[in-house]
Amino acid sequence: DTAVSQTPKYLVTQMGNDKSIKCEQNLGHDTMYWYKQDSKKFLKIMFSYNNKELIINETVPNRFSPKSPDKAHLNLHINSLELGDSAVYFCASSQAMYEQYFGPGTRLTVT
Amino acid sequence: QKEVEQNSGPLSVPEGAIASLNCTYSDRVSQSFFWYRQYSGKSPELIMSIYSNGDKEDGRFTAQLNKASQYVSLLIRDSQPSDSATYLCAVPGGFKTIFGAGTRLFVKA
Repeated sequence: DTAVSQTPKYLVTQMGNDKSIKCEQNLGHDTMYWYKQDSKKFLKIMFSYNNKELIINETVPNRFSPKSPDKAHLNLHINSLELGDSAVYFCASSQAMYEQYFGPGTRLTVT
Repeated sequence: QKEVEQNSGPLSVPEGAIASLNCTYSDRVSQSFFWYRQYSGKSPELIMSIYSNGDKEDGRFTAQLNKASQYVSLLIRDSQPSDSATYLCAVPGGFKTIFGAGTRLFVKA
């Protein structure tokens, strides 16, 4: 059974479009995250949710809107996509501040 | 601003050698430290966690922590070509984990 799953795995879209990425974890964790990994492979936190509450919003443009309907799900909606949004987006979960478990990633390409 | 510094490499070692990966961090109050391995095109996976000063061994991997020097390292003994990956040092704090830029390791057969 997949612990942290993301859909879709690949996303190719044009500038200006709106897209969503979904994440689900079956580990019973209370904290979920979105990370962006750019072409230089630097992994940067975007958002952190604890028990469905937004805890960390790491100066991400407001075109990015996360939503956590319950503790097991964290979705990311992106409006008006830009070229610079092209990256791999990882969802992760953890129990409090312990080790994190990552999803397989969503490779977003904006053309 | 909390920082985690790693040498980006690449670090190249022959098969069977010891690979030594280093990480320094800026936050003196950090209590836990993690090492993740990321293969190309894959997601990071946890390989070691360490919480107290000293060494922690798990199979071929040893994590070493020195809180006074704000330094954590990962040793890989008997390196194998399958160990070739990027190794990320991570320091959590307050629902925000800071990852280092990662060290690329190549193990030559």
